[in-house]
Amino acid sequence: QKEVEQDPGPLSVPEGAIVSLNCTYSNSAFQYFMWYRQYSRKGPELLMYTYSSGNKEDGRFTAQVDKSSKYISLFIRDSQPSDSATYLCAMSKNTGNQFYFGTGTSLTVIP
Amino acid sequence: GAGVSQSPSNKVTEKGKDVELRCDPISGHTALYWYRQSLGQGLEFLIYFQGNSAPDKSGLPSDRFSAERTGGSVSTLTIQRTQQEDSAVYLCASSPGASNYGYTFGSGTRLTVV
Repeated sequence: QKEVEQDPGPLSVPEGAIVSLNCTYSNSAFQYFMWYRQYSRKGPELLMYTYSSGNKEDGRFTAQVDKSSKYISLFIRDSQPSDSATYLCAMSKNTGNQFYFGTGTSLTVIP
Repeated sequence: GAGVSQSPSNKVTEKGKDVELRCDPISGHTALYWYRQSLGQGLEFLIYFQGNSAPDKSGLPSDRFSAERTGGSVSTLTIQRTQQEDSAVYLCASSPGASNYGYTFGSGTRLTVV
């Protein structure tokens, strides 16, 4: 079993829709949680990060962490065609520097 | 530089040949990471540098893989006697120090072993 599980999609939504992306994990040692966006032929870019449980909002993006359920989410409001990309969740333990990534969810926002 | 720079962007090599992949991190970033991204596999950690030393090389898949970093800056990932299963995108990232809050990735080197 992988430490981080993420539905690969693909996910296709109309412009303006609310998008929900999710990951589950198995290791309770994970404390730091991140979402990356990756466009085709580019490296991942950091979108959001959170520490421990709770919510964090940044513009149209909201990240949620539920450590009791080992479940994290990224919500995108008023989705735009420019949001079309692969979204990767990542997490790390309290010590060490290795990030554990999900396999990514491919999102297409249709104009 | 302004971002993490990797070269070459694409590399096609014959099975059994050695390859060198280069990473030039953001100026002043002391931490440097190598990851491998294969189709459907997500990002796989390979090695972490702090300065010129590698306190965590646990992700290197075999002794055919090695990496070094010189002058606390440029890093080279070397794959000897390449195999077809080595085909992947090799991503380098850097951060100002050891960070749990994410780091900046380069665009990667797409390696194809034929």
